[in-house]
Amino acid sequence: GAVVSQHPSWVICKSGTSVKIECRSLDFQATTMFWYRQFPKQSLMLMATSNEGSKATYEQGVEKDKFLINHASLTLSTLTVTSAHPEDSSFYICSARDPSSYEQYFGPGTRLTVT
Amino acid sequence: QQPVQSPQAVILREGEDAVINCSSSKALYSVHWYRQKHGEAPVFLMILLKGGEQKGHEKISASFNEKKQQSSLYLTASQLSYSGTYFCGTEISSGSARQLTFGSGTQLTVLP
Repeated sequence: GAVVSQHPSWVICKSGTSVKIECRSLDFQATTMFWYRQFPKQSLMLMATSNEGSKATYEQGVEKDKFLINHASLTLSTLTVTSAHPEDSSFYICSARDPSSYEQYFGPGTRLTVT
Repeated sequence: QQPVQSPQAVILREGEDAVINCSSSKALYSVHWYRQKHGEAPVFLMILLKGGEQKGHEKISASFNEKKQQSSLYLTASQLSYSGTYFCGTEISSGSARQLTFGSGTQLTVLP
C-alpha cells in the first residue's frame, strides 16, 4: 500500500508555544489530505481537509486560527498548533487518498503533549 | 453523521470467527475498513464502493449492502495478530473532498 509519513512521531512542548507537524505522501501526489485528532480509546475525529493551493476546510468546532494548515505542495501538508495548551494534548494523524485507487492511507501519527 | 458500529467489543479464541457491522443513516458512496493497534495509526484493510461489492484478502472479507447502507467485516479463523480496534469509515458523496467519517470502533481481542 501507499506510504504516508508524519513528523515528528511525538513532541512535548510547553504551554503557549507552537508546534508544527508535517505530513507527506511518499509515492503519490495528494491534492487533498486530511487531519484527524484522536483521544484515548475514542474514534478518529476529522479536524480539517487540506487542499493543495487553497485554504483548508475546517470541521465545525475546530478553530482555524489555532490549527493552521498549509498544503504547499502535492506531497506535503503541515498542521501548526498555535499557542498550545494542555487540552490540545492528543494523537494527531494525517491521511491522504491515493487518487488512482481511492484508498486512504494514514500517517503514523504524532503524539502531542503540552505541559 | 457518524456511522454506527457493532458490537463495541468482542473477545475470541484463536481460530474463531467474528463479524463487525457498520451502518449509516445516509446513502453511502464507499466504506473503508481499518485496524488500529494501541498507540499506532490505523492500517488500511479494504475499501468497498457503491454497487454492492464484496471483497476479501486471505481470511478477512467484507460486504457492502447498498440498499441497507450497511457493511460487514468478516474475520475467519482469527489469529492473535487480528487483535485491535476496527473502524469503518464512510463516504457519503463522490464529491472532490472525499471525507471519511469514522464509527466509534470495535475492539477485538483474540486470545490463545
